[in-house]
Amino acid sequence: QKEVEQNSGPLSVPEGAIASLNCTYSDRGSQSFFWYRQYSGKSPELIMFIYSNGDKEDGRFTAQLNKASQYVSLLIRDSQPSDSATYLCAASNFGNEKLTFGTGTRLTIIP
Amino acid sequence: NAGVMQNPRHLVRRRGQEARLRCSPMKGHSHVYWYRQLPEEGLKFMVYLQKENIIDESGMPKERFSAEFPKEGPSILRIQQVVRGDSAAYFCASSPRTANFYGYTFGSGTRLTVV
Repeated sequence: QKEVEQNSGPLSVPEGAIASLNCTYSDRGSQSFFWYRQYSGKSPELIMFIYSNGDKEDGRFTAQLNKASQYVSLLIRDSQPSDSATYLCAASNFGNEKLTFGTGTRLTIIP
Repeated sequence: NAGVMQNPRHLVRRRGQEARLRCSPMKGHSHVYWYRQLPEEGLKFMVYLQKENIIDESGMPKERFSAEFPKEGPSILRIQQVVRGDSAAYFCASSPRTANFYGYTFGSGTRLTVV
């Protein structure tokens, strides 16, 4: 069964620190990976995607992908209270836009 | 340029009634995806449709659930004879289905409550 797994948390991080969110996947056919942020009662919002091994940076966010270890992570630098949300990791196979989601990690930034 | 539009935002149904959820894709998008999010869980894929075609319904429950995307009008997710376990948030996304997939944007969702 194809799975994407995340630590459900909650993960508490002091304001200004780096938040590190992790995700593993079981399907070696997964090619593209996505991080969505979801505030309570709202729809998921796409914040990053990555499909090449290594790091990809966008502002305060860095996505990291290690296909050999089947591991994806999201780093949030200079964490802000507004970053408090649930972060969902998702994967898709090549040529397929169907996403397999993890259950999400709840992140709380402590002022 | 409106995003993916879903309605209603909230829907309350009594057990045994029918629920109809609507999704209008972004302009120019002809592919629609439906996901369900049960309380405290991640999103689960339900169905992928093109105009007038169901492409992948591997995530749809075998009974009571159906989906369509007609040539004209929104995509409809229909749940017959709803039960308490159908209470969830239902999200829709659309895509132009180009060669590169960079993720899609979800609509605001329909929150179904079965009482």
